[in-house]
Amino acid sequence: AQSVTQLDSQVPVFEEAPVELRCNYSSSVSVYLFWYVQYPNQGLQLLLKYLSGSTLVESINGFEAEFNKSQTSFHLRKPSVHISDTAEYFCAVPSGNQFYFGTGTSLTVIP
Amino acid sequence: KAGVTQTPRYLIKTRGQQVTLSCSPISGHRSVSWYQQTPGQGLQFLFEYFSETQRNKGNFPGRFSGRQFSNSRSEMNVSTLELGDSALYLCASSPGGGYGSYEQYFGPGTRLTVT
Repeated sequence: AQSVTQLDSQVPVFEEAPVELRCNYSSSVSVYLFWYVQYPNQGLQLLLKYLSGSTLVESINGFEAEFNKSQTSFHLRKPSVHISDTAEYFCAVPSGNQFYFGTGTSLTVIP
Repeated sequence: KAGVTQTPRYLIKTRGQQVTLSCSPISGHRSVSWYQQTPGQGLQFLFEYFSETQRNKGNFPGRFSGRQFSNSRSEMNVSTLELGDSALYLCASSPGGGYGSYEQYFGPGTRLTVT
C-alpha cells in the first residue's frame, strides 16, 4: 500500500516570505501525486497534480511542486505567501481506487 | 458544471441513533468516494463506489455502509452512532477508471456531531 508523510504539522510564516511544505511518499512504482488545500469549514480543493511529464508543476495561484523520484518527494513551494494562503494542505497519492492522504500541514501566514 | 454537493451540511445526533448522508457527484462522474476527517486521525478512506458497485473499502466497522444509485448519487449510513463518529464526512467524485481519472473533486462535507 502507498503511504504519504508530511513532516511538518504546522508551519507559521510571515506574509511575503517563501514557504516549503514537505511531502514524501513510499512507492517503488510510478506514482501520481497531488496537493490539496482545505480552507476552514470547506472541503478539499485540488491545488496541483503530477501525472507524468515535467517534474515541476504549477498552480494558478503561485504554488509549485517538484516531483523528485530519487528522493521520493513532492514538496510544495511558494516564493511569497499571502494572508489568504492560510489553510490546511494535504499531500495525496492514489493507489487502486482510493487516495492515501498525509496528515496535513497547517500553514499560517502572519501579517 | 455544478460541483459535488452533500446534504445535510450539519447534523446532530445522539448515541445509538443512525444517520444517512447524501452525496451528488459532478455530472458524468461515475466514481464516488467517502472519507472521514477528524483532528486526531486525519483523512481516512471509508469506501469507493463505481457504477453502483463497491470497489474498495477502508478499515471501518460494519456500522458504516454505503450505496450508489444508477444516477451515481451515493449515500452512506452509520448505524448505532458512537461519540467517536463525530467528524467531517467528505464525499469526492471522479470520472472513474483509466489514466487521468484519479483527480478527485470534493464536496463541502457533512459535519456530524454525536452527543
